[in-house]
Amino acid sequence: SQTIHQWPATLVQPVGSPLSLECTVEGTSNPNLYWYRQAAGRGLQLLFYSVGIGQISSEVPQNLSASRPQDRQFILSSKKLLLSDSGFYLCAWSVQGANVLTFGAGSRLTVL
Amino acid sequence: GNSVTQMEGPVTLSEEAFLTINCTYTATGYPSLFWYVQYPGEGLQLLLKATKADDKGSNKGFEATYRKETTSFHLEKGSVQVSDSAVYFCALISGGGGYNKLIFGAGTRLAVHP
Repeated sequence: SQTIHQWPATLVQPVGSPLSLECTVEGTSNPNLYWYRQAAGRGLQLLFYSVGIGQISSEVPQNLSASRPQDRQFILSSKKLLLSDSGFYLCAWSVQGANVLTFGAGSRLTVL
Repeated sequence: GNSVTQMEGPVTLSEEAFLTINCTYTATGYPSLFWYVQYPGEGLQLLLKATKADDKGSNKGFEATYRKETTSFHLEKGSVQVSDSAVYFCALISGGGGYNKLIFGAGTRLAVHP
């Protein structure tokens, strides 16, 4: 069966520090991968999606970047965090062509 | 562009009350529609879905019917439990070319009291 893992689950970082959130999927190959952000009291916003290794599409201009160095690995990064980067980050995957996304448990980032 | 609008929360109910959470959408073509649920401190889980007009999705006592004429996908449950307390997200699939972009509503928080 397929599983999706995100880490770290919780992170507290100072403003200006770097960020790396990692997501891996097991039990499938060539998945579509997604990063969503849920800011406090707000809905979910799609940040990045990827249909293959090295292929990243950004939905909104921001302080973050994403990379997909391996087929089942998706990394969300920042060189210098802002206060506004605080939120709950969710990774998700789907089979290409299928219409259901499966989400990880999320990573809660607090920038102080 | 494509979008989803949900009723604002929080919705506060007593146990065994009837639940309706309204959801309407704007989309080109014929999107697939979803309800996801987020329990406290967790990620999102798919609750139910419908892929074409007049389809009814159901799971765990929850139901939603894809109404093309009113562009709606309202979530209902006849008798809620305390364990149903969560945030509920309505969503639609938009995309093509090999990827599926899920567009979410803002979410509706449900609190059920004994």
